[in-house]
Amino acid sequence: DIQLTQSPSFLSASVGDRVTITCRASQGISSHLAWYQQTPGRAPKLLMYAASTLQSGVPSRFSGSGSGTEFTLTISSLQPEDFATYYCQQLNSYPLTFGQGTRLEIK
Amino acid sequence: QVQLQESGPGLVKPSETLSLTCAVAGYSISNTYCWAWIRQPPGRGLEWIGSFYPGGNTYYSPSLESRVTISVDTSKSQFSLKLTSVTAADTAMYYCARRVPGSGGPHDYWGQGTLVTVSP
Repeated sequence: DIQLTQSPSFLSASVGDRVTITCRASQGISSHLAWYQQTPGRAPKLLMYAASTLQSGVPSRFSGSGSGTEFTLTISSLQPEDFATYYCQQLNSYPLTFGQGTRLEIK
Repeated sequence: QVQLQESGPGLVKPSETLSLTCAVAGYSISNTYCWAWIRQPPGRGLEWIGSFYPGGNTYYSPSLESRVTISVDTSKSQFSLKLTSVTAADTAMYYCARRVPGSGGPHDYWGQGTLVTVSP
C-alpha cells in the first residue's frame, strides 16, 4: 500500500497568512493526488486534483504543486472559511489511501 | 446536479452485518464513473473501503476485503455496502462518493454521510 504522510498535522495561523501543507508518498504516484477540505460535521469537499488542477468553484487562493512523491497545497491568503481539516489522497493505484489530515486552526 | 444520499440503520450489534445504501440522483449510475464507499471513525481520518466500476470490477481495502461487499442496483440507481461481523472498530461516519474515471480521477461528489454505531 502507498502511505501518505502529511505535515504538519496541526497548523495555527491568522486570517491573511500564507500557509503550505505538505503530503509525501511512500512511492511515486505521478501527479495522481487530490486534496480535500473538511469542516466539522460536513463531508469532504474536493479542492484540487491531478496535484495542481483547481476544482471548479474553488477560490484561486488555493494552489497545488508536486509530482512523484512530494506535493504541496498552498493557501495564499487565509480567509475565515478556510479553517478546516485538509486531506491528501493518492489515486494512482488501489488500495486508495489518504493522508492523516492537517488541522488548520485560527491563531 | 449530482446528488448522493446514504441510508441505513444507525445502530448495529456486534457480530452482525452493517448494510447501507447510496441513492444517486442527477447521473446514470451505469455510466463510466466509479462509485465508492469511504468511512471516518469519530475524531479520526478518512479510510477508503472500496470502489465499484460499471463494467463490474470491484476493489476493496485489503484490511476489510474478507468482510465487505459492494453491489449496484442500476434499476434503482443505487449502490450498497455490506460489512459482516462488525465490531466497535467499525463505528464511523460512512460516506458514498463518485469517482471520476481515468487514472488519478478524484472523488468529486460525496453524500452527506451516515453515522453507524456498533454497540450492544
